[in-house]
Amino acid sequence: KAGVTQTPRYLIKTRGQQVTLSCSPISGHRSVSWYQQTPGQGLQFLFEYFSETQRNKGNFPGRFSGRQFSNSRSEMNVSTLELGDSALYLCASSLYTGESEQYFGPGTRLTVT
Amino acid sequence: GQQVMQIPQYQHVQEGEDFTTYCNSSTTLSNIQWYKQRPGGHPVFLIQLVKSGEVKKQKRLTFQFGEAKKNSSLHITATQTTDVGTYFCAGSKAAGNKLTFGGGTRVLVKP
Repeated sequence: KAGVTQTPRYLIKTRGQQVTLSCSPISGHRSVSWYQQTPGQGLQFLFEYFSETQRNKGNFPGRFSGRQFSNSRSEMNVSTLELGDSALYLCASSLYTGESEQYFGPGTRLTVT
Repeated sequence: GQQVMQIPQYQHVQEGEDFTTYCNSSTTLSNIQWYKQRPGGHPVFLIQLVKSGEVKKQKRLTFQFGEAKKNSSLHITATQTTDVGTYFCAGSKAAGNKLTFGGGTRVLVKP
């Protein structure tokens, strides 16, 4: 079974721009969660989608948004990028809801200059 | 909000020695999970504990869930260089709730 895939793997953007990251979960998994990982803050929960509905949301500003499609693929969008948004963005899929065993993708490394 | 703390933040271990890392939650958890992230990699699921006082073993790794379901520990015996990485615990207050990750314990092994 193919694992979680994320595209792109690396991205360099300028302050003020927007970015869209994509995540394809493991086949059959209906839940997709997004995390931001930085050296100082660890793994911070962004949001979780289950069957195209946002189930949980972390404490991030409205510039961070996401969605899930009918095939369970998910995208997250960050608008008006700030330098502090530079991080590794990880997507994780799970069979049921977000509190069950999570399978992480390789991540997208976003650098904002 | 729910907080999950891990101690220590860093652990330098001599190869062959044992060590324990601890995870503490500000609230009672429905379950606790442990993940390992190798340098340059992504977190990989190790185990999930759901019962009060539960103990599970995976080869040299022993995981325990506290009686009050607010803390957990990971004990590694006879540490090897392959144990290098960051170990995260993650907990959820209830079914359907988000998973909150601790800050991780970064393990460095001295050969």
